[in-house]
Amino acid sequence: AQSVTQLDSQVPVFEEAPVELRCNYSSSVSVYLFWYVQYPNQGLQLLLKYLSGSTLVKGINGFEAEFNKSQTSFHLRKPSVHISDTAEYFCAVSDLDGGSQGNLIFGKGTKLSVKP
Amino acid sequence: ETGVTQTPRHLVMGMTNKKSLKCEQHLGHNAMYWYKQSAKKPLELMFVYSLEERVENNSVPSRFSPECPNSSHLFLHLHTLQPEDSALYLCASSQEGLQGLYGYTFGSGTRLTVV
Repeated sequence: AQSVTQLDSQVPVFEEAPVELRCNYSSSVSVYLFWYVQYPNQGLQLLLKYLSGSTLVKGINGFEAEFNKSQTSFHLRKPSVHISDTAEYFCAVSDLDGGSQGNLIFGKGTKLSVKP
Repeated sequence: ETGVTQTPRHLVMGMTNKKSLKCEQHLGHNAMYWYKQSAKKPLELMFVYSLEERVENNSVPSRFSPECPNSSHLFLHLHTLQPEDSALYLCASSQEGLQGLYGYTFGSGTRLTVV
């Protein structure tokens, strides 16, 4: 069965510092990978996704993620964070040949807290 | 309106009340989902509807009753809830068969408090 592990439940960082939010997945087949962001009292919003091709994916708000098949990882990065990036970030996977009919499996989320 | 709209945004109900949460999508999607998001817990998938038929029910207590009258609307009927049911309830939609390509579109959620 597929699973998604977000290794850090909380990540505090100072404004303008770089950040990396880690995500590892387990799947025996090829996958599609997603990062969602949830601002306080809001729903989840798609940040970026990896389907195929270049392993470096760029998303909204200056975020990017790198797919690493050998390490089964899809870490999210931003070179310089802003206060407005404070939110919870969810990694998700959809397998291409699974019993879940392609439905997304979400990680537990990582709360990014950006301090001035 | 566009996207996925959930109403109400906030709801406070007593344990003996009956209420309903509503979700509406204007994206032409044909699959809809209910998720429960509690503090310090991961997202819990509650129900999945595909082409207006329930295809997944993850052992949700019977005090939660979903209804999908058409592909644009999804309801969650609530009765005799418990305080531990207090949470953010999120609705999402997708295009059946393409959720792996495009992901889900989420609503802003209903913050439910059971007193």
